[in-house]
Amino acid sequence: DAGITQSPRHKVTETGTPVTLRCHQTENHRYMYWYRQDPGHGLRLIHYSYGVKDTDKGEVSDGYSVSRSKTEDFLLTLESATSSQTSVYFCAISEDGTPDNEQFFGPGTRLTVL
Amino acid sequence: AQKITQTQPGMFVQEKEAVTLDCTYDTSDPSYGLFWYKQPSSGEMIFLIYQGSYDQQNATEGRYSLNFQKARKSANLVISASQLGDSAMYFCAMRVRNSGNTPLVFGKGTRLSVIA
Repeated sequence: DAGITQSPRHKVTETGTPVTLRCHQTENHRYMYWYRQDPGHGLRLIHYSYGVKDTDKGEVSDGYSVSRSKTEDFLLTLESATSSQTSVYFCAISEDGTPDNEQFFGPGTRLTVL
Repeated sequence: AQKITQTQPGMFVQEKEAVTLDCTYDTSDPSYGLFWYKQPSSGEMIFLIYQGSYDQQNATEGRYSLNFQKARKSANLVISASQLGDSAMYFCAMRVRNSGNTPLVFGKGTRLSVIA
């Protein structure tokens, strides 16, 4: 199994509070991704990184920011959480950005915003 | 823009039977990869199989095979000899080669239930 951990695994927070989710990898892969999974939508890309300090927006980036100061860590921040951000968040990694390179997923973080 | 369509929200199959999960895709890029992932009730995403757009043969991985029909833009997953442990959500995904960064685009998934 690819070495990907996510923390926390579960979090309940209140509307308006900041939240940071962490993804840590031990594979030294260049690419890291944050997805959210909601019923009826599959997985949707929030942000991704193609190197230290190199990030880009995905399909559903509004309300989220990311940072990557080290190869192994990719942080997702909800500056002011809203109920619409209640979801399961998955981190993924891939060795490079070519089409034949599969992504490996972390175990997910279940976030509930009350 | 790339798009993946999975038209079967749910499927049932008898144990030991084969089942086909449908996936169609849309892209104008000639170079792309197609993936299938399994998500059991425990929640993790498990990579199953990959097919490249230039691959001449259909991909196979154990009981999983991918029925790739490029002209029809379809990449159906075939599971042979279904087992109770195959009950899960299955996602089709695509990745294209563009100027550099190629995230996966996912379909909405198909929930497979295997009946004893």
